Amino acid sequence: EVQLLESGGGLVQPGGSLRLSCAASGFHFSTYTMSWVRQAPGKGLEWVSAISGGGSTYYGDSVRGRFTISRDNSKNTLYLQMNSLRAEDTAIYYCASPARGAIRPGDYWGQGTLVTVSS
Amino acid sequence: EIVMTQSPATLSVSPGERVTLSCRASQSVSSNLAWYQQKPGQAPRLLIYDASTRATDIPARFSGSGSGTEFTLTISSLQSGDFAVYYCQQYNNYPPCSFGQGTKLEIK
Repeated sequence: EVQLLESGGGLVQPGGSLRLSCAASGFHFSTYTMSWVRQAPGKGLEWVSAISGGGSTYYGDSVRGRFTISRDNSKNTLYLQMNSLRAEDTAIYYCASPARGAIRPGDYWGQGTLVTVSS
Repeated sequence: EIVMTQSPATLSVSPGERVTLSCRASQSVSSNLAWYQQKPGQAPRLLIYDASTRATDIPARFSGSGSGTEFTLTISSLQSGDFAVYYCQQYNNYPPCSFGQGTKLEIK
């Protein structure tokens, strides 16, 4: 059974940093492109970033240059380092994975972790 | 960037009705289109991928169609558990990908 478990969210001041983690199990993590998707309170879904099994990285325009996605395949864990945080980064952050053999982001989702950027 | 536009924003319907949700892409995404259902406090759930293929354990009352820039999600007979927000997502040349703004199905 595929499981994704996010952690690391919390309250941070504007301009601060936070690192999110997503522990994956139940599939061959190292070969899958993984994504982060966020959802601001009362708003829709926004794709944030992705990383391929080989380590190529991709970012949405709103976070490029501030966020860094990475992975540790030995620990089956996905990360999102968030720097220079702004109020508009406040959201639930989900990690998402494809099904086996698929090239699409959202067959499986974690439960999300809440990031609040406020002074 | 491919912009996804969903219509309508809100749809008021009665249980048992048939409903069709629309999604338009700003440029062709071929059949690389997914639909998700999201209920309050829950993560999104994949319903449809590749425009018309139901995901695992999704009931047959959910169907998707379309290709290129125009897509629809049809729910043939609404049940109480279907009242939720529905999002389309294009994943052509993923990554990146992009979502529509969502359609909220509410009980009339």
